[in-house]
Amino acid sequence: NAGVMQNPRHLVRRRGQEARLRCSPMKGHSHVYWYRQLPEEGLKFMVYLQKENIIDESGMPKERFSAEFPKEGPSILRIQQVVRGDSAAYFCASSRIEGNQPQHFGDGTRLSIL
Amino acid sequence: ELKVEQNPLFLSMQEGKNYTIYCNYSTTSDRLYWYRQDPGKSLESLFVLLSNGAVKQEGRLMASLDTKARLSTLHITAAVHDLSATYFCAVANNNAGNMLTFGGGTRLMVKP
Repeated sequence: NAGVMQNPRHLVRRRGQEARLRCSPMKGHSHVYWYRQLPEEGLKFMVYLQKENIIDESGMPKERFSAEFPKEGPSILRIQQVVRGDSAAYFCASSRIEGNQPQHFGDGTRLSIL
Repeated sequence: ELKVEQNPLFLSMQEGKNYTIYCNYSTTSDRLYWYRQDPGKSLESLFVLLSNGAVKQEGRLMASLDTKARLSTLHITAAVHDLSATYFCAVANNNAGNMLTFGGGTRLMVKP
């Protein structure tokens, strides 16, 4: 049973470019969460999605960041016009349904902005 | 706003010793999770604690939850080098679906 799959593992962008991060949840999981981790810090919640719906985006910056989880295909976290401060590890997690089950995390995408 | 604080942030200990990591949180929650993260890796789920007084053990690690005190502990017994990692507690926000708020992490280094 494949786990949460994220790609790419590493992404390098120049300031002003766009970054697209992909996440395929575990089989049978319909809830997807995106978190950001700065070096030596804990994970910070960004956005929570179900298929075709954004449930909670309270942790996501209002500008330049967007997320989607279409009916078909992976969830996408999109960062437009990247800046140096966007450099971080971005983790995706999935769970089966709301409730007590732990979220299962992907290996993350390490985004570096030159 | 839910806040989660862990201490210590950094812990260096000798093999064979015992120690406890503490996780305090600021508002009512009925779900607390402990995760382990190795450098450059993802998070591995260790424990799910769902009720007051819950205690779970796996190998040399034991986690407990006191919802009244809003405190969870992760106790390490007779530490070994393989336990070196960063440990995070995460608390589910009762008012925000399944969103997790993470503590800052405890970086554990076990010396031979």
